[in-house]
Amino acid sequence: NAGVTQTPKFRVLKTGQSMTLLCAQDMNHEYMYWYRQDPGMGLRLIHYSVGEGTTAKGEVPDGYNVSRLKKQNFLLGLESAAPSQTSVYFCASSLSWNQPQHFGDGTRLSIL
Amino acid sequence: AQSVAQPEDQVNVAEGNPLTVKCTYSVSGNPYLFWYVQYPNRGLQFLLKYITGDNLVKGSYGFEAEFNKSQTSFHLKKPSALVSDSALYFCAVRDLDNFNKFYFGSGTKLNVKP
Repeated sequence: NAGVTQTPKFRVLKTGQSMTLLCAQDMNHEYMYWYRQDPGMGLRLIHYSVGEGTTAKGEVPDGYNVSRLKKQNFLLGLESAAPSQTSVYFCASSLSWNQPQHFGDGTRLSIL
Repeated sequence: AQSVAQPEDQVNVAEGNPLTVKCTYSVSGNPYLFWYVQYPNRGLQFLLKYITGDNLVKGSYGFEAEFNKSQTSFHLKKPSALVSDSALYFCAVRDLDNFNKFYFGSGTKLNVKP
């Protein structure tokens, strides 16, 4: 029972580098989400997707891009990393808008 | 502004005593409320939800929450705390009139001491 799998688990980047975080779910969920978690701020929604081929902006989308080419995968991209993007990133999925979200174990990203 | 507030950064309780973790919300429409728990170095796990119906909602691991519309609150409770309940708890709200907006509180660290 894999559920939601995030890769990589840890990464250190230099300012200006780019990278892609991968999220994969095996529950056939329609909805997928990317959050960032910062101390004392809870989780903030970056982008989300309501189905294959669709994406939408969340609360803090600037500096990030996403793609949902396949239903099971949701990619989060940082084109030019900045120290302010140092955070723990969580991916989640849900069957529909009114169902609970299932979370991955997170990607810890440090940008120097 | 739509939001969720968890007024306590930390709650300390002795094992066997009842526990309450507080949450208040502010949305323009009808709320759809959740509680999640996070253990160290793990993702969030769903505990319970409220959308309509009975104001007292029962969830996983013996937790329950009470929806109070007049006080715009959704406090998490458990009659008898266990040491293993020690974790970070998050309240979340979705506005049913704008269902793609989903907000988390800042989290409350629950410490249960033996």
